[in-house]
Amino acid sequence: EIVLTQSPDFQSVAPKEKVTITCRASQSIGGRLHWYQQKPDQSPKLLIKYASQSISGVPSRFSGSGSGTDFTLTINSLEAEDAAAYYCHQTSSLPHTFGQGTKLEIK
Amino acid sequence: EVQLVESGGASVQPGGSLRLSCGGSGFPFNIYAMTWVRQAPGKGLEWVSSITAAATHTFYADSVRGRFTISRDNSNNTLSLHMNGLRAEDTAIYYCAKLDYGEGPFDFWGQGALVTVSS
Repeated sequence: EIVLTQSPDFQSVAPKEKVTITCRASQSIGGRLHWYQQKPDQSPKLLIKYASQSISGVPSRFSGSGSGTDFTLTINSLEAEDAAAYYCHQTSSLPHTFGQGTKLEIK
Repeated sequence: EVQLVESGGASVQPGGSLRLSCGGSGFPFNIYAMTWVRQAPGKGLEWVSSITAAATHTFYADSVRGRFTISRDNSNNTLSLHMNGLRAEDTAIYYCAKLDYGEGPFDFWGQGALVTVSS
């Protein structure tokens, strides 16, 4: 089973600041890494697919990078509505696995 | 607009059974693989099971293999999860989701169905 480890677990950031969340895989997964946003009491929403591909309707301040074992989600110019939990997810091999999540708080 | 609507969530006793359903609309249901993901209260996301578009292959997490069965009815655009031998640790919100092409990400999710296993 591929283990995904996110850091940090929690981050408190002021509006307009830049946020970086990392996801490390226990073995190479190529680019088969995706990012989701989950706001309180809502279902997850796909933000970035295949490490860096943007999703229609997702604000351009969200971007992703990385390959192999190390990946990054970047949120530029944070807005109040970005308060949520963020999860990475791999579809390189079964079982599909998720990172433990990063909770983002807006100061 | 893609919509996925789960139903069937309930409170059951340990050892009991339950069937969850998920109705899809707004997309050609029969050409996309589908999946179930669960989230225990206050916890992260856990993949449970997936099924290919034509239902020729099914896949399960070790934690549910042998107890849960995924199926689909493409004529009625419905995905199902039959759950037997339920345990307290199966308590969670169960989300159905549509896969992007092939083994892609889960690009659309339902609102979830709460399953509570307690005596």
